[in-house]
Amino acid sequence: DVKVTQSSRYLVKRTGEKVFLECVQDMDHENMFWYRQDPGLGLRLIYFSYDVKMKEKGDIPEGYSVSREKKERFSLILESASTNQTSMYLCASSPDRGGTGELFFGEGSRLTVL
Amino acid sequence: DQQVKQNSPSLSVQEGRISILNCDYTNSMFDYFLWYKKYPAEGPTFLISISSIKDKNEDGRFTVFLNKSAKHLSLHIVPSQPGDSAVYFCAASARNRDDKIIFGKGTRLHILP
Repeated sequence: DVKVTQSSRYLVKRTGEKVFLECVQDMDHENMFWYRQDPGLGLRLIYFSYDVKMKEKGDIPEGYSVSREKKERFSLILESASTNQTSMYLCASSPDRGGTGELFFGEGSRLTVL
Repeated sequence: DQQVKQNSPSLSVQEGRISILNCDYTNSMFDYFLWYKKYPAEGPTFLISISSIKDKNEDGRFTVFLNKSAKHLSLHIVPSQPGDSAVYFCAASARNRDDKIIFGKGTRLHILP
């Protein structure tokens, strides 16, 4: 059974803290993605990666960075958390470049920034 | 500029009736369309897809219709069941250009008893 695992389901952080969101997939997919989901705004792409050590900005990269040191792991980093980064964060992987085929999502990480 | 539009934020349907969720797109380069379903506190799961060379794809209770001339697709669920209550995201991509998927904002479907 294919699996995308996000390390934390729920996090509460304070403004200015550094936040790490980890994602691991066991499907040997080259392509990995970070989205955030907010009510009324749908799924918005933050960053994506087509290969190890490679990263590309999505639609809303400001305030975020990513790390892909190993094929199976894609980390999202909030250097200095702000209240407007309170959201549901979703990691996904795909066998197709660009995620043009099916995306496999993790269960999500609900982040609250106080 | 929103390339994939789901104009109905929510929809309520009686159990056993047909649910129809609509989606419009603006980019004529899109050639692959998908629907995802999302329950609260879970990640989205893939539901059904359709290539632009087809106008209909069916999988059990779920059917997706594509009208390329109108740049419109719809998801039909027949019959609707309580477990279908969720948020449904329409998505599109230009596979021939290796472009990433673009999602709509979602439609929340409520199945009424």
